Amino acid sequence: DGGITQSPKYLFRKEGQNVTLSCEQNLNHDAMYWYRQDPGQGLRLIYYSQIVNDFQKGDIAEGYSVSREKKESFPLTVTSAQKNPTAFYLCASSSGQGVIQPQHFGDGTRLSIL
Amino acid sequence: AQSVTQPDIHITVSEGASLELRCNYSYGATPYLFWYVQSPGQGLQLLLKYFSGDTLVQGIKGFEAEFKRSQSSFNLRKPSVHWSDAAEYFCAVGLMDSNYQLIWGAGTKLIIKP
Repeated sequence: DGGITQSPKYLFRKEGQNVTLSCEQNLNHDAMYWYRQDPGQGLRLIYYSQIVNDFQKGDIAEGYSVSREKKESFPLTVTSAQKNPTAFYLCASSSGQGVIQPQHFGDGTRLSIL
Repeated sequence: AQSVTQPDIHITVSEGASLELRCNYSYGATPYLFWYVQSPGQGLQLLLKYFSGDTLVQGIKGFEAEFKRSQSSFNLRKPSVHWSDAAEYFCAVGLMDSNYQLIWGAGTKLIIKP
């Protein structure tokens, strides 16, 4: 079955530590996205990538970094510069160009601070 | 600035009753419109979308939505809810002048009374 796999499901971060969230898709989609979800705030875009080796900042990119070395993979690193990282992180992908293509989502990673 | 408003944070409905979830957007032109559903601790699933044409669109799980240009609304409806419909519902808008970004509503949590 095609889909998006996010791992781990739960992740704990210590102060001053960088952590990386994995996102892999086998849908052959060109575009991939990272969102942050906080209660009562909907989804906020962190980064998105239209093609391999290219990505753009979303609305809340500060304290996060990404890479897109392979079409299937779009890992997100939450750096120590992100002072309030506790949230639910969702990865998504879509085919083609533009917002007309619906986004497909993974099951998310919940990040907490130790 | 463009925005999406879901006025109801929570809605409680009896099983078997009808449902309407509201979504209003602020944008000068007709956007692309989406409704997604999120079960607890999971990713989002597309329910339905509107791009153009017939203003009443049918989706999965017996849901439908109606686009009303004069009211800048895209309300989601279901004639008879089931306990399995308990989830959070998100309205999203894709703008024609934005390549990949969706603007998301804050979500409406649907609670089903037995």
